[in-house]
Amino acid sequence: DVKVTQSSRYLVKRTGEKVFLECVQDMDHENMFWYRQDPGLGLRLIYFSYDVKMKEKGDIPEGYSVSREKKERFSLILESASTNQTSMYLCASINRNSGNTIYFGEGSWLTVV
Amino acid sequence: AQSVTQLGSHVSVSEGALVLLRCNYSSSVPPYLFWYVQYPNQGLQLLLKYTSAATLVKGINGFEAEFKKSETSFHLTKPSAHMSDAAEYFCAVSPTGNQFYFGTGTSLTVIP
Repeated sequence: DVKVTQSSRYLVKRTGEKVFLECVQDMDHENMFWYRQDPGLGLRLIYFSYDVKMKEKGDIPEGYSVSREKKERFSLILESASTNQTSMYLCASINRNSGNTIYFGEGSWLTVV
Repeated sequence: AQSVTQLGSHVSVSEGALVLLRCNYSSSVPPYLFWYVQYPNQGLQLLLKYTSAATLVKGINGFEAEFKKSETSFHLTKPSAHMSDAAEYFCAVSPTGNQFYFGTGTSLTVIP
């Protein structure tokens, strides 16, 4: 089974702190994604990556950055957390050669106070 | 731009009744289409997907969906709702297989 692991399920951070959300997938997937999920807004794409060291902005990249130094790991970084970044963050990956199914991690609940 | 519309952010059905969750998409080319389910405090799990084979797709837990190109729809159905079906359901479209566009979700409540 494909496994996408988000290391932190629940975090509470203070305004202005730097926040790292880590995601690891174990199926050698090329594409990885970070979404945020908010009530009534569904999933919104923050950033995605097609390969190591490659990144592309999604629909709401402001206030976020990402890092992909290894194929299996895709990190989301909040340089200076703000209260409007309180949300559920979902990491996902796909294998372009396996029917393009997108697999999700369990999610990281971030609260910024 | 691609878009996915899920009609009804909240749907309630009685246990044993038909479940119908609606999804319409905009796409200029035949897309990949998906339904995902999300249980509380969990990520999204794949229910079923359409990849241009049979238009009626069967998924897990008794769910199925029918691709209707003329209506640009991919509605999700289940003949008889079970209490364990209570969850959030997301429709998604992927025109090229590399990017995904999700609907805003439908919360399904099953009444005993």
